[in-house]
Amino acid sequence: DAEITQSPRHKITETGRQVTLACHQTWNHNNMFWYRQDLGHGLRLIHYSYGVHDTNKGEVSDGYSVSRSNTEDLPLTLESAASSQTSVYFCASTPGTYNEQFFGPGTRLTVL
Amino acid sequence: RKEVEQDPGPFNVPEGATVAFNCTYSNSASQSFFWYRQDCRKEPKLLMSVYSSGNEDGRFTAQLNRASQYISLLIRDSKLSDSATYLCVVSPYNQGGKLIFGQGTELSVKP
Repeated sequence: DAEITQSPRHKITETGRQVTLACHQTWNHNNMFWYRQDLGHGLRLIHYSYGVHDTNKGEVSDGYSVSRSNTEDLPLTLESAASSQTSVYFCASTPGTYNEQFFGPGTRLTVL
Repeated sequence: RKEVEQDPGPFNVPEGATVAFNCTYSNSASQSFFWYRQDCRKEPKLLMSVYSSGNEDGRFTAQLNRASQYISLLIRDSKLSDSATYLCVVSPYNQGGKLIFGQGTELSVKP
């Protein structure tokens, strides 16, 4: 069955380290999104992509980057992890512009 | 003002109760509307899309009022398994399909 996966599911890292969170979907969706979820803020958009080699900044993109080298993957990189980036990160994909988004299981990241 | 606002709750109701959630959105150009459900910090999952004429799926009824920029979700005959956080989600017409999430309304159904 087609699906969307994220890895790792849990990660503890130290301030200043570079961290990459993986997102992989097998639906062949063009649109992929990264969100973070924190108490009191709900889900906030970090970066998104509408296709290979396309990337766009969301509302909380500072300190994060993404790259899209193929349809299936949109890895999220924290260039220099900060304690403020401790959060739960969700990846999502959708086949079209105004369709529902399908979410991965999430990655719980702790930055010490 | 937040783009999508919901009453955070929690709503504590007995089994069998009817409960209604409300949501308002600020962007009048919004194109698509959804209710998502999220359990215990797991991933959000689509509960139902919301159509202009209103729509029903079993015990769940969604309504949209574009003039008032208001969305509602009604749950009838609440079950213990309905306990979750319900997210009101809007996709504005002029923002390339991005979803704007409300903070969610927590529902706890008690025996």
